[in-house]
Amino acid sequence: GAGVSQSPRYKVAKRGQDVALRCDPISGHVSLFWYQQALGQGPEFLTYFQNEAQLDKSGLPSDRFFAERPEGSVSTLKIQRTQQEDSAVYLCASSLAGDLLNQPQHFGDGTRLSIL
Amino acid sequence: AQTVTQSQPEMSVQEAETVTLSCTYDTSENNYYLFWYKQPPSRQMILVIRQEAYKQQNATENRFSVNFQKAAKSFSLKISDSQLGDTAMYFCAFMKLIKAAGNKLTFGGGTRVLVKP
Repeated sequence: GAGVSQSPRYKVAKRGQDVALRCDPISGHVSLFWYQQALGQGPEFLTYFQNEAQLDKSGLPSDRFFAERPEGSVSTLKIQRTQQEDSAVYLCASSLAGDLLNQPQHFGDGTRLSIL
Repeated sequence: AQTVTQSQPEMSVQEAETVTLSCTYDTSENNYYLFWYKQPPSRQMILVIRQEAYKQQNATENRFSVNFQKAAKSFSLKISDSQLGDTAMYFCAFMKLIKAAGNKLTFGGGTRVLVKP
């Protein structure tokens, strides 16, 4: 595709429900990142994939958060037993390779998650 | 761990005027990159300008320029001839250069820029 595509654009869930957020990176992009952006704040790193390998998950806030990229393309961020503090915009970014200088990160429009 | 601080929550500027956004960071790294991103209400992060820490020359991209002071760990953004389309949140970001791993970005808290007609 022409850009990074995220779906859904908006998601409302009740506390305790599980949610799944999808990211479709730019075709051929090796690196994929997930960020969490709370209201009025800057994005914070969650996790990173190089192809299908999850090389860094240091930013995941709890074991309720799980991400996968089984075929090295589409990625899914899953949040189990959602809590109100999970309400945020979840941004996905992809880049051609790990060297950011020559291949910048391209961001999607994000998914706004609201937990009631 | 790296931290990025943007001390101005909001700035307003008249159309065609100049505005400068401040950013300071804290790191013990010597090799890194710095970025300014723009986030309009559509939420998509757009790269505005980037600076390699090993380069002394300040980066320039059309109406956008930076003042990089490595010793002071300061990285300000100047927007010249402001346009209505510049209205957005602006984020300063730091990236430590890591080979064979993801080059994740560390963002500041953002500065909201409002360009007035």
